[in-house]
Amino acid sequence: ELKVEQNPLFLSMQEGKNYTIYCNYSTTSDRLYWYRQDPGKSLESLFVLLSNGAVKQEGRLMASLDTKARLSTLHITAAVHDLSATYFCAVGSGSRLTFGEGTQLTVNP
Amino acid sequence: DTAVSQTPKYLVTQMGNDKSIKCEQNLGHDTMYWYKQDSKKFLKIMFSYNNKELIINETVPNRFSPKSPDKAHLNLHINSLELGDSAVYFCASSQGIGAGSNQPQHFGDGTRLSIL
Repeated sequence: ELKVEQNPLFLSMQEGKNYTIYCNYSTTSDRLYWYRQDPGKSLESLFVLLSNGAVKQEGRLMASLDTKARLSTLHITAAVHDLSATYFCAVGSGSRLTFGEGTQLTVNP
Repeated sequence: DTAVSQTPKYLVTQMGNDKSIKCEQNLGHDTMYWYKQDSKKFLKIMFSYNNKELIINETVPNRFSPKSPDKAHLNLHINSLELGDSAVYFCASSQGIGAGSNQPQHFGDGTRLSIL
């Protein structure tokens, strides 16, 4: 059974700082996704990573995938308050996605 | 022009009642999903349909019954509601399944179910 672990689960950081969220998964996968969820809202797709070494960037967020280590990272550069949300990684295996527990990010002024 | 729409957005009901949640997508996708998000925000797949055919049926009480009348709709009926059913239920859709589905799933806004 595929297991997906994110850490940290809670992250409080100051504006302007950098940080990385980690997503480890237990078995071989052919695709990995990052989603953002604002409180009381839906999930918004951020990145799709399909191959070893894939790196994608959007604004202050950059995601990477190392399939050999079964690890994806979501790096936050110079955080701003608007990035406060819960971030989920989701790993594809066969016909299903398995989600991590989510990382609740709070960016303080 | 909402892509994945769920109704109702909020559902407050008594234990023991039967209720339904409806989901429709206008993205032309062939696969639809139901997820349950608990109070700790953990998201778990419940069901998935591809071209109206059930392809994922997780260990969910048989009080939960999905129905897909066509590719664009996936409804969820719940019998004899229990306190533990309180959660947010998300519908999602995507094109293709497995390795052929490299596009992300698109989620609806969720249905917040509260059992009294």
